[in-house]
Amino acid sequence: EVQLVESGGGLVQPGGSLRLSCEASGFTFSSYEMNWVRQAPGKGLEWVSSIGGSGSTIYYADSVKGRFTISRDNAKNSLYLQMNSLRAEDTAVYYCAPRGLTTWYFNYWGQGTLVTVSS
Amino acid sequence: EIVLTQSPATLSLSPGERATLSCRASQGVNSYLAWYQQKPGQAPRLLIYDAYKRATGIPARFSGSGSGTDFTLTISSLEPEDFAVYYCQHRQNWPLTFGGGTKVEIK
Repeated sequence: EVQLVESGGGLVQPGGSLRLSCEASGFTFSSYEMNWVRQAPGKGLEWVSSIGGSGSTIYYADSVKGRFTISRDNAKNSLYLQMNSLRAEDTAVYYCAPRGLTTWYFNYWGQGTLVTVSS
Repeated sequence: EIVLTQSPATLSLSPGERATLSCRASQGVNSYLAWYQQKPGQAPRLLIYDAYKRATGIPARFSGSGSGTDFTLTISSLEPEDFAVYYCQHRQNWPLTFGGGTKVEIK
């Protein structure tokens, strides 16, 4: 059974930093692209970042480029998102989701972790 | 960036009625489009992928159609559990983008 458990969310001041983690199980983690997708309160879904199985291919949404860094540790079956220079508009639930397990879409999701950027 | 525009924003229907949701892409995405359902407090659930393929466990009342720039999600007869928000998403290129969503509410 595929399981994804996000952690690391919380309240942070504008300009601050936070590191999110996602622990995966139930599939061969190193073989699959991993993604972060976020959802601001009461708003729609926004893809944030993607990292290939080996970690060598990385993409970011323009809204986070230069501020967020995605990484993974395949030995620990874990995905990370280092978020710096946080803004109020980064407030959202952050989900981790793999692609490619059965489809090239997001058919497995974690429960999400809430990041609140506020003074 | 490919912009996905969903319409209508809200659809007010009664159980048993047919729901037709639209997703229009700003440029062609071939058949690389998916539909998700999201209920309050839950993560999204994949319903349809590659425009018309039902994901595992999805009831046959959900169907998808379209290619290129115009796509439709149809729910043939609404069940009480189908009242939710629906999003489309493409995988044609980077960045991956989602539509703004259509809320299907009880009339």
